Amino acid sequence: EVQLVQSGTEVKKPGESLKISCKGSGYRFTSYWIGWVRQMPGKGLEWMGIIYPGDSDTRYSPSFQGQVTVSADKSISTAYLQWSSLKASDTAMYYCARPVGDGTLDGFEIWGQGAMVIVSP
Amino acid sequence: SYELTQPLSVSVALGQTARITCGGNNNGIKNVHWYQQKPGQAPVLLIYRDSNRPSGIPERFSGSNSGNTATLTISRAQGGDEADYYCQVWDSSTAVFGGGTKLTVL
Repeated sequence: EVQLVQSGTEVKKPGESLKISCKGSGYRFTSYWIGWVRQMPGKGLEWMGIIYPGDSDTRYSPSFQGQVTVSADKSISTAYLQWSSLKASDTAMYYCARPVGDGTLDGFEIWGQGAMVIVSP
Repeated sequence: SYELTQPLSVSVALGQTARITCGGNNNGIKNVHWYQQKPGQAPVLLIYRDSNRPSGIPERFSGSNSGNTATLTISRAQGGDEADYYCQVWDSSTAVFGGGTKLTVL
């Protein structure tokens, strides 16, 4: 079964760093892009960035460039989203997602279960 | 930056057909993907590249695209179709989501 399994809920304080993970299984991890999507409470979906684990090619939304870092460790089939200094406004659900086709930027067919990040003093 | 415009809400009577639109800019809109999201759940891909259904998605869900507007059509609407629906495209290697449409089944 093809799936993405994300790390769990995180509760952090403003200014702290954080790295959340997304582990792929059931498919060739290096052949598919993996993207990250933010959903703030009660709001819509926002695309943050995407990485191709095969060669670490990474793209960012202009809204998130410089705010987060997307990375991947292909040896353990895991993608990451990290912050160096969290803000209260980073409180949201974060999803990782994989497109339909290998090597293509396509519709996101496979989604992780989501990771809730809560940033509070 | 590229923007996609969706109606905030759409209502449909049980068993009838719902249509949710997604508008692009003046250069047209292509390869539109559609997602359904129910409360507390991750999004589900309903349609990719305008009109293709992933395996497991009922035929009641269909997509079309004409010029500047893509449309998600839900036939024979059921109570379980109540959800938020999002369109999405790729623009210069960046993904763009529409603001989402809340579907109410009456």
